[in-house]
Amino acid sequence: AQRVTQPEKLLSVFKGAPVELKCNYSYSGSPELFWYVQYSRQRLQLLLRHISRESIKGFTADLNKGETSFHLKKPFAQEEDSAMYYCAPGEGSQGNLIFGKGTKLSVKP
Amino acid sequence: DTGVSQDPRHKITKRGQNVTFRCDPISEHNRLYWYRQTLGQGPEFLTYFQNEAQLEKSRLLSDRFSAERPKGSFSTLEIQRTEQGDSAMYLCASSLAPQGAFFGQGTRLTVV
Repeated sequence: AQRVTQPEKLLSVFKGAPVELKCNYSYSGSPELFWYVQYSRQRLQLLLRHISRESIKGFTADLNKGETSFHLKKPFAQEEDSAMYYCAPGEGSQGNLIFGKGTKLSVKP
Repeated sequence: DTGVSQDPRHKITKRGQNVTFRCDPISEHNRLYWYRQTLGQGPEFLTYFQNEAQLEKSRLLSDRFSAERPKGSFSTLEIQRTEQGDSAMYLCASSLAPQGAFFGQGTRLTVV
């Protein structure tokens, strides 16, 4: 069964500290991998996608196929990074796109 | 605005009534997804379309739920005989796979 696990419901860090949001997945075939972000009172937004190997707002994500993980990292957290973050594998051969339960990141001043 | 739009934004209905939501995807996107989100939870997959074909429907989706995407353009999600447990935010997203999905603002359903 397709599954995605984000083990931390809440992650609280101070401004300037490094951040790592964990994501582990179980998915048939070869999924594409995404991270989405939802700021307060805003719609869910695509943050970054593995296929692009990009860095958005200072965030990067490394795919580890052996561990089936796709952790999101940022070296220096900012207060404006406070939001809900969702890991989402999908859009591969299975077609659908499933989401983890999310991690709430709180960056304190 | 060329993003994904959903209508209505809010819907209050009495238990037992039928409701229908509409989603207009980004025009060139071939995939369209419906999700349900309740407070403190991630988006829960309901169904998705590739063009006009409905390719997958979640087992969580009861027979009271039906979705269509005529001509591969807009989509509708209908809930028949609504129950209080159907109260949630219903999200629509579209994508040009595998580029990642873009979401609408959602339709908040309250069943009283």
